Amino acid sequence: GQQLNQSPQSMFIQEGEDVSMNCTSSSIFNTWLWYKQDPGEGPVLLIALYKAGELTSNGRLTAQFGITRKDSFLNISASIPSDVGIYFCAGPGQNFVFGPGTRLSVLP
Amino acid sequence: EAEVAQSPRYKITEKSQAVAFWCDPISGHATLYWYRQILGQGPELLVQFQDESVVDDSQLPKDRFSAERLKGVDSTLKIQPAELGDSAMYLCASSSYRGLGNEQFFGPGTRLTVL
Repeated sequence: GQQLNQSPQSMFIQEGEDVSMNCTSSSIFNTWLWYKQDPGEGPVLLIALYKAGELTSNGRLTAQFGITRKDSFLNISASIPSDVGIYFCAGPGQNFVFGPGTRLSVLP
Repeated sequence: EAEVAQSPRYKITEKSQAVAFWCDPISGHATLYWYRQILGQGPELLVQFQDESVVDDSQLPKDRFSAERLKGVDSTLKIQPAELGDSAMYLCASSSYRGLGNEQFFGPGTRLTVL
């Protein structure tokens, strides 16, 4: 079935640093969604992208819908401790599919 | 603020027993999803409802799993009999749109442990 790949798998950064992560697919997606999940909780929607090339911000978060429609990027500026968690990309393939996640750790 | 409600939050059961999970979506949301999330992985779609009808259950293990949304509002996911490999987080999500790819809002999940 359709799969999404995310990189990096995990990352450790210093508080205040910027973060970049990406998500790729072998097939075209018409929508990209980015979620954050804290331990023991359900995912929380961060940003939704609906058009190739679209760049959307939500506070310190910025996400882009890749021109090829096979990838998407999420950037976090000036990271803070509460940014710790797992970030998932997701989109509608043959059925709705999530990537494996990028685990972010922020060191004080 | 409207939220997706799920219960119970935690469930411990022995293998071969039956378990059931309940979900109440955000009011007015036509589409409801059940996901299974194994530790360390992303959520995997089990079943999607639009109103009371199943839209997609291609990844639902139908020999032991069943789901219903009789009145098109709340939903129940059942496992009978439970197996050790069913230990996971079961997540419910809802969306106000009637298609794929639209914004889904998740509940807090039910953590199932099968002994």
